[in-house]
Amino acid sequence: DSGVTQTPKHLITATGQRVTLRCSPRSGDLSVYWYQQSLDQGLQFLIQYYNGEERAKGNILERFSAQQFPDLHSELNLSSLELGDSALYFCASSLGQNNQPQHFGDGTRLSIL
Amino acid sequence: QQQVKQSPQSLIVQKGGISIINCAYENTAFDYFPWYQQFPGKGPALLIAIRPDVSEKKEGRFTISFNKSAKQFSLHIMDSQPGDSATYFCAASNAGRRALTFGSGTRLQVQP
Repeated sequence: DSGVTQTPKHLITATGQRVTLRCSPRSGDLSVYWYQQSLDQGLQFLIQYYNGEERAKGNILERFSAQQFPDLHSELNLSSLELGDSALYFCASSLGQNNQPQHFGDGTRLSIL
Repeated sequence: QQQVKQSPQSLIVQKGGISIINCAYENTAFDYFPWYQQFPGKGPALLIAIRPDVSEKKEGRFTISFNKSAKQFSLHIMDSQPGDSATYFCAASNAGRRALTFGSGTRLQVQP
Protein backbone atom coordinates (compact mmCIF):
# COMPACT_ATOMS: atom_id res chain seq x y z
CA ASP A 1 0.00 0.00 0.00
CA SER A 2 1.56 3.27 -1.17
CA GLY A 3 -0.49 5.41 1.20
CA VAL A 4 -1.90 7.44 -1.71
CA THR A 5 -5.69 7.16 -1.96
CA GLN A 6 -7.65 7.81 -5.11
CA THR A 7 -11.41 7.87 -5.52
CA PRO A 8 -13.43 6.72 -7.26
CA LYS A 9 -11.78 3.57 -8.62
CA HIS A 10 -14.01 3.49 -11.66
CA LEU A 11 -16.03 6.19 -13.38
CA ILE A 12 -18.30 5.73 -16.36
CA THR A 13 -19.83 8.75 -18.00
CA ALA A 14 -20.84 10.15 -21.36
CA THR A 15 -19.28 12.55 -23.81
CA GLY A 16 -19.69 16.20 -22.92
CA GLN A 17 -19.93 15.54 -19.20
CA ARG A 18 -17.71 16.76 -16.38
CA VAL A 19 -16.10 14.62 -13.67
CA THR A 20 -13.93 15.16 -10.62
CA LEU A 21 -11.20 12.77 -9.53
CA ARG A 22 -9.91 12.95 -5.97
CA CYS A 23 -6.50 12.18 -4.48
CA SER A 24 -5.27 12.08 -0.89
CA PRO A 25 -1.47 12.07 -0.71
CA ARG A 26 0.65 10.08 1.71
CA SER A 27 0.78 11.54 5.18
CA GLY A 28 3.40 14.29 5.26
CA ASP A 29 3.77 14.61 1.48
CA LEU A 30 3.28 18.14 0.18
CA SER A 31 3.55 17.52 -3.57
CA VAL A 32 0.86 15.93 -5.70
CA TYR A 33 1.30 14.91 -9.32
CA TRP A 34 -1.34 13.80 -11.79
CA TYR A 35 -0.56 11.40 -14.64
CA GLN A 36 -2.67 9.92 -17.41
CA GLN A 37 -2.08 6.36 -18.63
CA SER A 38 -3.50 5.32 -21.97
CA LEU A 39 -2.65 2.52 -24.38
CA ASP A 40 -1.42 4.82 -27.13
CA GLN A 41 0.30 7.53 -25.06
CA GLY A 42 1.63 5.56 -22.10
CA LEU A 43 2.14 7.37 -18.80
CA GLN A 44 2.03 11.12 -19.31
CA PHE A 45 2.50 13.84 -16.72
CA LEU A 46 -0.38 16.28 -16.47
CA ILE A 47 0.22 18.69 -13.59
CA GLN A 48 1.99 19.12 -10.22
CA TYR A 49 0.95 20.98 -7.09
CA TYR A 50 3.07 21.74 -4.08
CA ASN A 51 1.52 22.89 -0.82
CA GLY A 52 -1.49 24.31 -2.61
CA GLU A 53 0.29 26.00 -5.50
CA GLU A 54 0.69 24.86 -9.08
CA ARG A 55 4.35 24.01 -9.75
CA ALA A 56 4.54 22.40 -13.16
CA LYS A 57 2.36 21.64 -16.15
CA GLY A 58 2.72 18.85 -18.63
CA ASN A 59 0.47 17.68 -21.41
CA ILE A 60 -2.71 18.84 -19.75
CA LEU A 61 -5.62 19.86 -21.95
CA GLU A 62 -7.36 23.19 -21.38
CA ARG A 63 -10.54 21.22 -20.61
CA PHE A 64 -8.73 19.76 -17.60
CA SER A 65 -7.92 21.59 -14.40
CA ALA A 66 -6.72 20.71 -10.93
CA GLN A 67 -6.29 22.17 -7.50
CA GLN A 68 -4.77 21.26 -4.17
CA PHE A 69 -6.66 22.15 -1.03
CA PRO A 70 -5.35 23.33 2.38
CA ASP A 71 -5.61 19.77 3.72
CA LEU A 72 -3.33 18.79 0.78
CA HIS A 73 -5.80 16.58 -1.02
CA SER A 74 -6.08 17.30 -4.72
CA GLU A 75 -8.82 17.14 -7.31
CA LEU A 76 -8.53 16.77 -11.07
CA ASN A 77 -11.48 18.17 -12.98
CA LEU A 78 -12.17 16.94 -16.50
CA SER A 79 -14.83 18.72 -18.52
CA SER A 80 -16.42 18.46 -21.98
CA LEU A 81 -15.32 14.86 -21.98
CA GLU A 82 -14.43 13.16 -25.24
CA LEU A 83 -14.07 9.47 -26.08
CA GLY A 84 -10.30 9.94 -26.19
CA ASP A 85 -10.24 10.97 -22.53
CA SER A 86 -10.91 7.37 -21.54
CA ALA A 87 -7.83 6.35 -19.59
CA LEU A 88 -6.39 5.57 -16.19
CA TYR A 89 -5.65 8.66 -14.15
CA PHE A 90 -3.00 8.33 -11.46
CA CYS A 91 -2.08 10.57 -8.63
CA ALA A 92 1.37 10.44 -7.06
CA SER A 93 2.80 12.25 -4.07
CA SER A 94 6.25 13.13 -2.78
CA LEU A 95 7.62 14.84 0.30
CA GLY A 96 8.77 18.08 -1.31
CA GLN A 97 8.48 19.87 -4.63
CA ASN A 98 11.84 18.62 -5.83
CA ASN A 99 12.23 15.53 -3.74
CA GLN A 100 11.80 12.03 -4.94
CA PRO A 101 10.52 9.36 -4.79
CA GLN A 102 6.99 9.64 -6.07
CA HIS A 103 4.48 7.15 -4.73
CA PHE A 104 1.46 6.33 -6.83
CA GLY A 105 -2.13 5.56 -5.97
CA ASP A 106 -4.06 2.79 -7.71
CA GLY A 107 -5.72 5.19 -10.09
CA THR A 108 -9.17 6.03 -11.36
CA ARG A 109 -10.31 4.26 -14.50
CA LEU A 110 -12.39 6.69 -16.56
CA SER A 111 -14.58 5.28 -19.30
CA ILE A 112 -16.39 7.61 -21.67
CA LEU A 113 -19.34 6.09 -23.50
CA GLN B 1 14.68 15.52 -25.81
CA GLN B 2 12.37 14.65 -22.95
CA GLN B 3 11.85 11.12 -24.25
CA VAL B 4 12.94 7.94 -22.55
CA LYS B 5 13.12 4.95 -24.88
CA GLN B 6 12.51 1.52 -23.37
CA SER B 7 13.08 -1.95 -24.76
CA PRO B 8 12.00 -4.65 -25.21
CA GLN B 9 8.26 -4.15 -25.34
CA SER B 10 7.71 -7.64 -23.96
CA LEU B 11 9.92 -10.29 -22.43
CA ILE B 12 9.45 -13.95 -21.56
CA VAL B 13 11.91 -15.49 -19.11
CA GLN B 14 12.07 -18.89 -17.46
CA LYS B 15 11.87 -19.13 -13.70
CA GLY B 16 15.31 -18.63 -12.23
CA GLY B 17 16.59 -16.73 -15.24
CA ILE B 18 17.77 -13.14 -15.56
CA SER B 19 15.41 -10.49 -16.90
CA ILE B 20 17.04 -7.46 -18.50
CA ILE B 21 15.20 -4.30 -19.54
CA ASN B 22 16.97 -1.37 -21.15
CA CYS B 23 16.29 2.36 -21.32
CA ALA B 24 17.98 5.23 -23.13
CA TYR B 25 17.57 8.97 -22.74
CA GLU B 26 18.68 12.13 -24.51
CA ASN B 27 18.28 14.86 -21.92
CA THR B 28 21.60 15.17 -20.06
CA ALA B 29 19.87 17.22 -17.38
CA PHE B 30 18.11 14.11 -16.08
CA ASP B 31 19.52 13.28 -12.65
CA TYR B 32 17.15 10.72 -11.19
CA PHE B 33 16.26 7.37 -12.74
CA PRO B 34 13.64 5.19 -11.05
CA TRP B 35 12.11 1.90 -12.11
CA TYR B 36 8.48 1.16 -11.39
CA GLN B 37 6.62 -2.15 -11.33
CA GLN B 38 2.95 -2.23 -12.20
CA PHE B 39 0.52 -5.11 -11.73
CA PRO B 40 -2.89 -5.15 -13.47
CA GLY B 41 -5.37 -2.93 -11.68
CA LYS B 42 -2.69 -1.29 -9.55
CA GLY B 43 -0.65 1.86 -9.72
CA PRO B 44 3.07 1.89 -10.51
CA ALA B 45 5.11 0.92 -7.46
CA LEU B 46 8.64 2.21 -7.00
CA LEU B 47 11.11 -0.65 -7.28
CA ILE B 48 14.56 0.90 -7.25
CA ALA B 49 16.15 4.19 -8.29
CA ILE B 50 19.60 5.51 -9.13
CA ARG B 51 21.33 8.87 -9.51
CA PRO B 52 24.13 9.45 -12.07
CA ASP B 53 26.93 9.59 -9.50
CA VAL B 54 26.94 5.78 -9.22
CA SER B 55 27.15 3.15 -11.95
CA GLU B 56 25.24 0.39 -10.20
CA LYS B 57 22.73 -0.04 -7.42
CA LYS B 58 21.50 -3.34 -6.07
CA GLU B 59 18.50 -4.08 -3.88
CA GLY B 60 17.85 -7.75 -3.36
CA ARG B 61 17.32 -9.43 -6.73
CA PHE B 62 16.98 -6.08 -8.53
CA THR B 63 19.98 -4.19 -9.94
CA ILE B 64 20.17 -0.95 -11.90
CA SER B 65 23.18 -0.49 -14.15
CA PHE B 66 23.83 3.08 -15.27
CA ASN B 67 26.07 4.22 -18.14
CA LYS B 68 26.28 8.01 -18.09
CA SER B 69 28.41 8.37 -21.21
CA ALA B 70 26.05 6.20 -23.26
CA LYS B 71 22.99 7.76 -21.62
CA GLN B 72 21.59 4.33 -20.91
CA PHE B 73 20.39 2.47 -17.86
CA SER B 74 19.03 -0.98 -17.35
CA LEU B 75 17.17 -3.12 -14.85
CA HIS B 76 18.37 -6.63 -14.11
CA ILE B 77 16.11 -9.03 -12.23
CA MET B 78 18.11 -12.00 -10.98
CA ASP B 79 16.51 -15.37 -10.24
CA SER B 80 13.27 -14.21 -11.86
CA GLN B 81 10.11 -15.59 -10.28
CA PRO B 82 6.53 -15.97 -11.60
CA GLY B 83 5.51 -13.31 -9.06
CA ASP B 84 7.75 -10.85 -10.93
CA SER B 85 5.40 -11.05 -13.93
CA ALA B 86 4.28 -7.45 -14.36
CA THR B 87 4.85 -4.38 -16.49
CA TYR B 88 8.04 -2.47 -15.75
CA PHE B 89 8.56 1.20 -16.48
CA CYS B 90 11.78 3.15 -16.45
CA ALA B 91 11.55 6.87 -15.83
CA ALA B 92 13.70 9.96 -15.49
CA SER B 93 13.45 13.43 -14.04
CA ASN B 94 15.59 16.47 -13.34
CA ALA B 95 15.72 19.27 -10.82
CA GLY B 96 14.10 21.71 -13.23
CA ARG B 97 11.16 19.44 -13.97
CA ARG B 98 10.46 16.97 -11.20
CA ALA B 99 7.65 15.30 -13.10
CA LEU B 100 8.64 11.86 -14.27
CA THR B 101 9.15 11.10 -17.94
CA PHE B 102 8.30 7.45 -18.43
CA GLY B 103 9.44 4.84 -20.89
CA SER B 104 6.79 2.92 -22.81
CA GLY B 105 6.90 -0.10 -20.51
CA THR B 106 8.01 -3.73 -20.73
CA ARG B 107 5.61 -6.55 -20.10
CA LEU B 108 7.54 -9.29 -18.32
CA GLN B 109 6.26 -12.83 -18.14
CA VAL B 110 8.17 -15.34 -16.01
CA GLN B 111 7.26 -18.88 -16.86
CA PRO B 112 7.31 -21.52 -14.09
